[in-house]
Amino acid sequence: DAKTTQPTSMDCAEGRAANLPCNHSTISGNEYVYWYRQIHSQGPQYIIHGLKNNETNEMASLIITEDRKSSTLILPHATLRDTAVYYCIVRGYGNKLVFGAGTILRVKS
Amino acid sequence: DSGVTQTPKHLITATGQRVTLRCSPRSGDLSVYWYQQSLDQGLQFLIQYYNGEERAKGNILERFSAQQFPDLHSELNLSSLELGDSALYFCASRPDRGPGSPLHFGNGTRLTVT
Repeated sequence: DAKTTQPTSMDCAEGRAANLPCNHSTISGNEYVYWYRQIHSQGPQYIIHGLKNNETNEMASLIITEDRKSSTLILPHATLRDTAVYYCIVRGYGNKLVFGAGTILRVKS
Repeated sequence: DSGVTQTPKHLITATGQRVTLRCSPRSGDLSVYWYQQSLDQGLQFLIQYYNGEERAKGNILERFSAQQFPDLHSELNLSSLELGDSALYFCASRPDRGPGSPLHFGNGTRLTVT
């Protein structure tokens, strides 16, 4: 599975959009991009995933560049409850998820 | 609520003992994954089962073993426990709905070895 690079930490003002970047320059054609978050020792929570196209659900939007070498997770209106560690993971079919260190997102009032 | 149930939530035991952690996957999910999260390490993949058969192994110690039963629930057995085995243990399940279907995690079992 391809390796990902994320910033160690980010701050965001409450009510503003949080844009979390992820670099996955070695991604191969059949690998998906997944985003999870973990709030204070709870189980990782699935947010969104995509292959090539941009995706949106009730939690977030995922923007994948045309060359698929990077992506951005967008939380449109961040709240204090969105403070968490966010993991960007690239995974091939049937393979396990390999978690890196993730990005600590701090939403501030 | 992810639909994945793990029991017990907390477990405190002594070194040298053996414990069993239980995971009930989401209804219909055939794949079960186990992960360990220690304080000084991130989430580490241990083992995966699919419909009762072992599919992949990660950094799982020989003192640890797992199985998946016909009703698809899974158990992780940890024996000869050491202080360093204190960690959060997460189970995840995944449906067979296409190549990209995501894993869904339970809220874990916190194991404390004293």
